Amino acid sequence: EAGVAQSPRYKIIEKRQSVAFWCNPISGHATLYWYQQILGQGPKLLIQFQNNGVVDDSQLPKDRFSAERLKGVDSTLKIQPAKLEDSAVYLCASSTRQVSGANVLTFGAGSRLTVL
Amino acid sequence: SQQGEEDPQALSIQEGENATMNCSYKTSINNLQWYRQNSGRGLVHLILIRSNEREKHSGRLRVTLDTSKKSSSLLITASRAADTASYFCATAPQVRGSARQLTFGSGTQLTVLP
Repeated sequence: EAGVAQSPRYKIIEKRQSVAFWCNPISGHATLYWYQQILGQGPKLLIQFQNNGVVDDSQLPKDRFSAERLKGVDSTLKIQPAKLEDSAVYLCASSTRQVSGANVLTFGAGSRLTVL
Repeated sequence: SQQGEEDPQALSIQEGENATMNCSYKTSINNLQWYRQNSGRGLVHLILIRSNEREKHSGRLRVTLDTSKKSSSLLITASRAADTASYFCATAPQVRGSARQLTFGSGTQLTVLP
């Protein structure tokens, strides 16, 4: 089974520029997540999709961050304009509901963003 | 906001020793999960324990859950250098009828010295 694919792995931009990250989840996984992980911290949920609908985007800074999941498969996370504090690893994860009702996440390798 | 908080923040042990990490959380949960993250990589799921379970084993891993104290512990027995990684607990809140998104703690950095 192929894992969660993310690109690019690394991106360096200047503040106020824009950047986009792409994620391809595991085939058949209905739920897709974007997490932000700042160095030395745990992942923080930005947005959760169920198929192509948004389940939770309460922690997404909507003035600069946007995300979409077209056709309920691939997803794109965009930042425009970027700020210095957006420097982080952006992790995409996907899951399918287990019999128990729990969601076990499979993560991609992440996209490391450096904003100068 | 961080739901879970791991303790200690960093742990250094010798190969062959046991490593214990603790996680405390604030609200009622449906389940609690532990993930491992090697440097520069994504997180990998290790083990899940449901709110009605008290202990679970998987290979060299042992997880306990005390819902009255809102805490969990992860024990890695006979540690190896390859166990060097960051370990995160993640909680799924108790929401009527379903388990919702996971909230991760701040992690414990484990270093196993050869």
